[in-house]
Amino acid sequence: QVQLHESGPGLVKPSETLSLTCAVSGYFISSGYYWGWIRQPPGKGLEWIGNIYHSGSPYYSPSLKSRVTISVDTSKNQFSLKLSSVTAADAAVYYCARGGGRWELPYFDYWGQGTLVTVSS
Amino acid sequence: QSALTQPASVSGSPGQSITISCTGTSSDVGSYNLVSWYQQHPGKAPKLMIYEGSKRPSGVSNRLSGSKSGNTASLTISGLQAEDEADYYCCSYAGSSTWVFGGGTKLTVL
Repeated sequence: QVQLHESGPGLVKPSETLSLTCAVSGYFISSGYYWGWIRQPPGKGLEWIGNIYHSGSPYYSPSLKSRVTISVDTSKNQFSLKLSSVTAADAAVYYCARGGGRWELPYFDYWGQGTLVTVSS
Repeated sequence: QSALTQPASVSGSPGQSITISCTGTSSDVGSYNLVSWYQQHPGKAPKLMIYEGSKRPSGVSNRLSGSKSGNTASLTISGLQAEDEADYYCCSYAGSSTWVFGGGTKLTVL
């Protein structure tokens, strides 16, 4: 059974960098597929942030591209999200998920439970 | 890259059928048969219900079906049940290895 689990600070100060990690169990990231981050502001809809291939090629939402970095660590079987210069608009539940490849797994089939990130000084 | 357009809410009585639309553009929904649909109950993570337009993952009820016409994808739920009450989101490939979600639709079972 594939499981994903997000972790990281639940509170980030404005202008600082949000950092989250997604630990994967039940599947080796190095075996394949894309791995993604999706967020959901309180009471609002889902927003795709970006994906990374198991071999390390990342793709980002055009609207967030200048502030986002997604990386993968196959030795720890996890992947990470960094979002710089955060503002209140970045407050959201952040989900990690498996999938999002154009040619393989063009959908998100396994999701983490989500982690709430608040932006406040 | 703008969010796909979904109705904010739809409702139906138990046993009835409802359809949720998801309108994009010729750059996303219209160009690829890569629309997926997700169900989200309050406080829970989204769950994949339909992928590649009309395919159902194992374990998803056959009361759910997906289709597409032009730039609009649709999710139909027949034989509505109380457990179907949730938020539903569409998602489409938008080219250049990017994805776009819809704004979400709240389904109320009356």
